[in-house]
Amino acid sequence: TQLLEQSPQFLSIQEGENLTVYCNSSSVFSSLQWYRQEPGEGPVLLVTVVTGGEVKKLKRLTFQFGDARKDSSLHITAAQPGDTGLYLCAGASGGSYIPTFGRGTSLIVHP
Amino acid sequence: GAGVSQSPRYKVAKRGQDVALRCDPISGHVSLFWYQQALGQGPEFLTYFQNEAQLDKSGLPSDRFFAERPEGSVSTLKIQRTQQEDSAVYLCASSQFTGTGGRFEKLFFGSGTQLSVL
Repeated sequence: TQLLEQSPQFLSIQEGENLTVYCNSSSVFSSLQWYRQEPGEGPVLLVTVVTGGEVKKLKRLTFQFGDARKDSSLHITAAQPGDTGLYLCAGASGGSYIPTFGRGTSLIVHP
Repeated sequence: GAGVSQSPRYKVAKRGQDVALRCDPISGHVSLFWYQQALGQGPEFLTYFQNEAQLDKSGLPSDRFFAERPEGSVSTLKIQRTQQEDSAVYLCASSQFTGTGGRFEKLFFGSGTQLSVL
């Protein structure tokens, strides 16, 4: 059972466009992580957000954790073909230390 | 190597065959997780080890699935009498430590074992 809902499920855009993907839950998370997974590889951590309202930037990627710590967003500015991949959010709630993953957003950036 | 290593990368099994999937975590990492990832889905939790202790196996789908980490390093996921619905990518991840309170450390994933059951 996935506690984290990600949207959109698929996204196909042109190089240079901006995009936002979302991760939502009815549960409160103490922390939330974003990963990117390329075909044939395991997920690679991009960022961890911990504080409600927190904003973190990683080059052209901006991550935000909701004030209530139930949701998060990832915004990519001027997308590039190298951004292509499956973007996954993961969180643990209720005192658990087992990360639960969302279904992911599959992003394709066309040159 | 410095990363998490999984073997084999690909495994084709006939239905009913037993398989064993191996994970070599990063040296010194206390925590080890196994996940199952179906095509187009996110990873689904299977089981968790802290050193040699299997602290959570709630995600194992049936008693045909068994995991061990006898010396607190290498782990093996065994699937007995494989079925077609077992076809998936099996991911192993390790981390230095996972504390309580819902905060968890960075997970380092292997490239996975793609299992196809015919």
